[in-house]
Amino acid sequence: GDSVTQMEGPVTLSEEAFLTINCTYTATGYPSLFWYVQYPGEGLQLLLKATKADDKGSNKGFEATYRKETTSFHLEKGSVQVSDSAVYFCALQPGGGNKLVFGAGTILRVKS
Amino acid sequence: DVKVTQSSRYLVKRTGEKVFLECVQDMDHENMFWYRQDPGLGLRLIYFSYDVKMKEKGDIPEGYSVSREKKERFSLILESASTNQTSMYLCASIGVLMTDLDGYTFGSGTRLTVV
Repeated sequence: GDSVTQMEGPVTLSEEAFLTINCTYTATGYPSLFWYVQYPGEGLQLLLKATKADDKGSNKGFEATYRKETTSFHLEKGSVQVSDSAVYFCALQPGGGNKLVFGAGTILRVKS
Repeated sequence: DVKVTQSSRYLVKRTGEKVFLECVQDMDHENMFWYRQDPGLGLRLIYFSYDVKMKEKGDIPEGYSVSREKKERFSLILESASTNQTSMYLCASIGVLMTDLDGYTFGSGTRLTVV
């Protein structure tokens, strides 16, 4: 079945460091891919998305590119801030379906 | 903006109690979902509903039931709460349009503690 694998955390970085959170997926067909973010004490918010191969999603300085050949959707940010500390979830939506499949989440901690 | 509202942020219940978690969305979405979130396990789907009075089991339905009497409201019911149901519960919704490619809209979550 469809699945998402994320790198394990927590990831601890200093402010202004470069961030990569790896995400790979297994799916049949052509899924849409998402990154959600969950700040402490809150629900999940959509961070960015990509709906087809080679699409790049971007928002708030974060980017991720849909790589069909490597079945990956890695999240990157050039310079993290303390306010980026959160849990990040990679997810896929199967083509034609409405159920999202989530990864386990990666905790990011940014120190000042 | 779509809003998904969960009635309680924090709940403490006793073992054996019947517990109701309520979720309301205001954008006429057909599909609604209940997940639980546990550290290291991510989000696991409990139940979902694609229409009024329709429901389907997710990956971990044991010990739970749901009710969808109106399109905007989706309730999760713990028939007899147990300590292993202590968790964060998240409700989400999405429409059915093929252009609806924004994924889910989530509520803020209900942190349930069963003592």
